[in-house]
Amino acid sequence: DAEITQSPRHKITETGRQVTLACHQTWNHNNMFWYRQDLGHGLRLIHYSYGVQDTNKGEVSDGYSVSRSNTEDLPLTLESAASSQTSVYFCASSDPGLAGGDTQYFGPGTRLTVL
Amino acid sequence: AQKITQTQPGMFVQEKEAVTLDCTYDTSDQSYGLFWYKQPSSGEMIFLIYQGSYDEQNATEGRYSLNFQKARKSANLVISASQLGDSAMYFCAMREGYRSNTGKLIFGQGTTLQVKP
Repeated sequence: DAEITQSPRHKITETGRQVTLACHQTWNHNNMFWYRQDLGHGLRLIHYSYGVQDTNKGEVSDGYSVSRSNTEDLPLTLESAASSQTSVYFCASSDPGLAGGDTQYFGPGTRLTVL
Repeated sequence: AQKITQTQPGMFVQEKEAVTLDCTYDTSDQSYGLFWYKQPSSGEMIFLIYQGSYDEQNATEGRYSLNFQKARKSANLVISASQLGDSAMYFCAMREGYRSNTGKLIFGQGTTLQVKP
């Protein structure tokens, strides 16, 4: 079955370190997204991509970067981790050509703690 | 600017009863999509139901239905015959554009639903 996976599921790191969170989908979806979830803020969009070599900034992109070299993967990099980036990170993908209004399907999430 | 408002931080419902979770939205676009997601305590985000702004009938998916009132800009989720497994956080979300390639979602703050046995 097609799916979307994230790794690692849990990560503890130190302030200032570079961290990369992986997202891999086998839906063959063109659109991929990264969100963070914090108490009191719901889910907020970090970066998104509409296809290979395409990346765009979302609402809370400062301190994060993404690259899209193939359809299946959209890794999220924290260039220099900060305590304010402690959060749960969700990856999602969608295909606008499918029925259902371009529904986004989410990965299981990565819980990141920056000490 | 787009905005999603969920005014009920927490709700209780008795098992087997119906419950309505409120969602209002604000957009200047004529074309948009509305979504509901469920987040159980295990943390994953589960898609429940979708309503397009031009869809004339309210969306239904099993025990879930979306009460879409376009003039009032509301998209309430109705869960019929609540089950203990319905206890979770529920998020309303909106995407500008109808079957567009934009894809970006804006989420509400969520409503925590607890089903009592």
